[in-house]
Amino acid sequence: DAKTTQPPSMDCAEGRAANLPCNHSTISGNEYVYWYRQIHSQGPQYIIHGLKNNETNEMASLIITEDRKSSTLILPHATLRDTAVYYCIVRGGSGGSNYKLTFGKGTLLTVNP
Amino acid sequence: DTAVSQTPKYLVTQMGNDKSIKCEQNLGHDTMYWYKQDSKKFLKIMFSYNNKELIINETVPNRFSPKSPDKAHLNLHINSLELGDSAVYFCASSPHLTGGAGNTIYFGEGSWLTVV
Repeated sequence: DAKTTQPPSMDCAEGRAANLPCNHSTISGNEYVYWYRQIHSQGPQYIIHGLKNNETNEMASLIITEDRKSSTLILPHATLRDTAVYYCIVRGGSGGSNYKLTFGKGTLLTVNP
Repeated sequence: DTAVSQTPKYLVTQMGNDKSIKCEQNLGHDTMYWYKQDSKKFLKIMFSYNNKELIINETVPNRFSPKSPDKAHLNLHINSLELGDSAVYFCASSPHLTGGAGNTIYFGEGSWLTVV
């Protein structure tokens, strides 16, 4: 079962920042927060992941709250091609049931012209 | 070069037939997976293999049989296909089995199976 809660849908204007929230209040100390997205008719695409520090790469930034119970994925300048379902996933660091990604329903981000 | 590739991309077949979907990864990863995405768009893991050894079988019917001839390949064979098997099947791979930093899972583009 998914350990995260995301809004089912969000809209964003093209060129503006898209901020996608995720709640993971039951996250434990060795669990990472992963973000994937799935553009229509394509396979899930890795975006970014983090443990407790904020992370940034060429695609996005990940802001994790100090208590680690929630995070926000930021797409700094959304384009129409960023329209997709975004999944926030909690995955363990080692051992246990860490072999798999457990997907929830995600957030459908629609970027409007 | 495609990192995780699946064939065929589209497959339409009749009930009762047996079919296979092939998957190959050229990333040098030890671990491979099969995920299923049904009509409601939920993505669920079916199998995981690590160095050709079955690790996860998520209560998938026996009609589904994965085969890993080497760690770069994980094929999915489905016997006696049923209407409910219609779905998109995604192959994926990761450097190793356990989680943690750097053990990102990468997905293929999917195989659309339609059973008529």
